[in-house]
Amino acid sequence: GQNIDQPTEMTATEGAIVQINCTYQTSGFNGLFWYQQHAGEAPTFLSYNVLDGLEEKGRFSSFLSRSKGYSYLLLKELQMKDSASYLCAVLRNTGGFKTIFGAGTRLFVKA
Amino acid sequence: GAVVSQHPSRVICKSGTSVKIECRSLDFQATTMFWYRQFPKQSLMLMATSNEGSKATYEQGVEKDKFLINHASLTLSTLTVTSAHPEDSSFYICSAHTGQGAQETQYFGPGTRLLVL
Repeated sequence: GQNIDQPTEMTATEGAIVQINCTYQTSGFNGLFWYQQHAGEAPTFLSYNVLDGLEEKGRFSSFLSRSKGYSYLLLKELQMKDSASYLCAVLRNTGGFKTIFGAGTRLFVKA
Repeated sequence: GAVVSQHPSRVICKSGTSVKIECRSLDFQATTMFWYRQFPKQSLMLMATSNEGSKATYEQGVEKDKFLINHASLTLSTLTVTSAHPEDSSFYICSAHTGQGAQETQYFGPGTRLLVL
């Protein structure tokens, strides 16, 4: 089967650093997405990791370990506007592409 | 960046009517588009994968005769909710897959909020 796990909720303080973890078990793994979704809006693309390692993009970084089935999203210098749901999603290729989403992590940034 | 549009953004309809939702990739071609449904405070649930020029692939539990998908061109996919009922009220979101290898990504449309009375 396939399974994607991430924490349900996290709370962090403005200006701090927060790490959101995601573990997955799936066949046909191609890569892993992170998306940000504000309430009532569609998800917006943050990152896509195919190879092991850390990819940095401004205040956001994403890490992948294919052998461990593990990824994390690192948010630095948190701002109030970063309060949102963060979705971990796996792109599978089993004769055709398919993206499966985790349940999402709701991040609350407090002053 | 790439843009995906969805139309309409919001629909209110009576029970028993059909609703068509369009998803367009505006500045790129997408051989594969995905349709998702999201209920309040839940994550996105994949309904079906839409491939240009071929039949859509539906996820388990999604009725293909109720949710008709047509992918007429590399930039347009449509989802028709036939004989809609109140339990079909949800946020429907499409996405378009593009790129290769490390450049692969998916861009999401803004979503269509459907309310069936």
